[in-house]
Amino acid sequence: RKEVEQDPGPFNVPEGATVAFNCTYSNSASQSFFWYRQDCRKEPKLLMSVYSSGNEDGRFTAQLNRASQYISLLIRDSKLSDSATYLCVVTPIQGAQKLVFGQGTRLTINP
Amino acid sequence: DTAVSQTPKYLVTQMGNDKSIKCEQNLGHDTMYWYKQDSKKFLKIMFSYNNKELIINETVPNRFSPKSPDKAHLNLHINSLELGDSAVYFCASSYDPGASDTQYFGPGTRLTVL
Repeated sequence: RKEVEQDPGPFNVPEGATVAFNCTYSNSASQSFFWYRQDCRKEPKLLMSVYSSGNEDGRFTAQLNRASQYISLLIRDSKLSDSATYLCVVTPIQGAQKLVFGQGTRLTINP
Repeated sequence: DTAVSQTPKYLVTQMGNDKSIKCEQNLGHDTMYWYKQDSKKFLKIMFSYNNKELIINETVPNRFSPKSPDKAHLNLHINSLELGDSAVYFCASSYDPGASDTQYFGPGTRLTVL
């Protein structure tokens, strides 16, 4: 079983739609959780951290469910510029920071 | 100003050759990393250095040798290149190796081994 699993998509949604991605992780001791965004042929960039209480940044909402080992990302009122691959990222509890990436979910927003 | 830079951006070479990729960060970070993104787009950590000291070495073949001459630089040397080494290699940096610290990635080096 992969450490971090995501539906690779692709997801094709119309502009203005709400879209949700899910991610599961296998290590129950995982310490930190993030969503990164990667545009085509570019480097990953941090989109937002994910906290147990849930957090929101504009149109983006992230949720963490430790009991189910499940992370979600919700994008409201999607824009064309949201088209990218969204990477679910987890860090294990021990040792130095080691980001474990999911395969990524590819999202295309259509006009 | 570029925060994390890598050279070269593209590298095409023959099997068996030795090549190096350079990485520099001007963010004042103490920790630097090398990641490999394969054709299936999985990003996996290879190495991590903190203050020039190796702290993560993820079962990478010893043909890969990182070198950190100072905190701002982390280079990757690859000996006897193989077809399976073809991938995009990303350098990254963070303030410290703490689990919650944001990592900043370089633009990547696309390596193609023929």
